[in-house]
Amino acid sequence: EVQLVESGGGLVQPGGSLRLSCAASGFTFSSYEMNWVRQAPGKGLEWVSYISSSGSTIYYADSVKGRFTISRDNAKNSLYLQMNSLRAEDTAVYYCAREGDSYGYDYWGQGTLVTVSS
Amino acid sequence: QTVVTQEPSLTVSPGGTVTLTCASSTGAVTSGYYPNWFQQKPGQAPRALIYSTSNKHSWTPARFSGSLLGGKAALTLSGVQPEDEAEYYCLLYYGGAYVFGTGTKVTVL
Repeated sequence: EVQLVESGGGLVQPGGSLRLSCAASGFTFSSYEMNWVRQAPGKGLEWVSYISSSGSTIYYADSVKGRFTISRDNAKNSLYLQMNSLRAEDTAVYYCAREGDSYGYDYWGQGTLVTVSS
Repeated sequence: QTVVTQEPSLTVSPGGTVTLTCASSTGAVTSGYYPNWFQQKPGQAPRALIYSTSNKHSWTPARFSGSLLGGKAALTLSGVQPEDEAEYYCLLYYGGAYVFGTGTKVTVL
């Protein structure tokens, strides 16, 4: 059974940092591209970042470019999102999502809440 | 900034049919945007329904179908069930970036 479990969320002050993790199981993690998607309270979904299966190709949304860093450790079956210089508008539930065939997002984690507030 | 627009809300009767659309501010949506569709219920993570315009996941009910319609991506629900009441999002690929649609709230009444 495919499982994606996010962790690392919490309350952080503006300007602070946080590192999110996504633990993958039930599939060959190193064969799949992965994404981070977020959802602010009461708002829609927003794509945040993409990483290829090897980690050699990375993309970011303009809203997080220069502040967030996506990475992965295929030996540990884990995906990460390092978030620096956090702002109030970064407050959201952060989901990791697996990308399967033909740019299809198939499996999602349950999400982890990040709250940026003083 | 690219905007992907969906109908804010739609209402459908049980057993009825409803079509949701997904439009791009850059022009017509084609198969090259690899449209995805997701269903999200309150307090839950999104659930994937359709990928690459019209392909279903193994868990996608047969009553859901995807297509291209008049320059937009479309999701059609046929024989709507009460449990289909949810928010629906499309996702388009722009070559190095993805953009989610604004979302459609489907009410089954």
